[in-house]
Amino acid sequence: EAGVVQSPRYKIIEKKQPVAFWCNPISGHNTLYWYRQNLGQGPELLIRYENEEAVDDSQLPKDRFSAERLKGVDSTLKIQPAELGDSAVYLCASTPGTPIYNEQFFGPGTRLTVL
Amino acid sequence: GNSVTQMEGPVTLSEEAFLTINCTYTATGYPSLFWYVQYPGEGLQLLLKATKADDKGSNKGFEATYRKETTSFHLEKGSVQVSDSAVYFCALSDGPSGGYQKVTFGTGTKLQVIP
Repeated sequence: EAGVVQSPRYKIIEKKQPVAFWCNPISGHNTLYWYRQNLGQGPELLIRYENEEAVDDSQLPKDRFSAERLKGVDSTLKIQPAELGDSAVYLCASTPGTPIYNEQFFGPGTRLTVL
Repeated sequence: GNSVTQMEGPVTLSEEAFLTINCTYTATGYPSLFWYVQYPGEGLQLLLKATKADDKGSNKGFEATYRKETTSFHLEKGSVQVSDSAVYFCALSDGPSGGYQKVTFGTGTKLQVIP
């Protein structure tokens, strides 16, 4: 079974430029998460989707970050414009539909460097 | 709110040494506890978990016991190998019964095992 797929794996951009990350969760996993992991820190949740609905986006900086999951499968996270402080690893994770299912399956992440 | 505190790294051990990585938590409910491992260039993988007090999670020679009285979930392994070199994250999930369980991660502890 294929795991969570993310692309690109690395991205280097200049500040004020836009950037987008893509995630394909494990087949059949209805719940999708985007996390940000700063250097030397644990992942912090940005947004959680149940199918195509964003059910928790309270930690998403909505002035510059946006996300979508139009058909309830793949998801895209966008930053526009990027700032120096956005340099981090952006992780996507997924779980089966049952809300109380504990284990999250993570992708390898996208390492963003903003110059 | 919920929080996870784990010992700072890096931890450097010789092969076959005994490993302990301390983890303590603060939670409002009755959380499930996890250890995730992140190998270089990869996403987080679940290593082991425990869902109630006194449970012992174990996998690949690693184990951790859910201690409610000390709010701890220390990770141990009797004899580490070079291949165990990675970053280890302690985490908890907590939420209403039958509802969404939000995951809170610690900051991670880097383990380096030298031959």
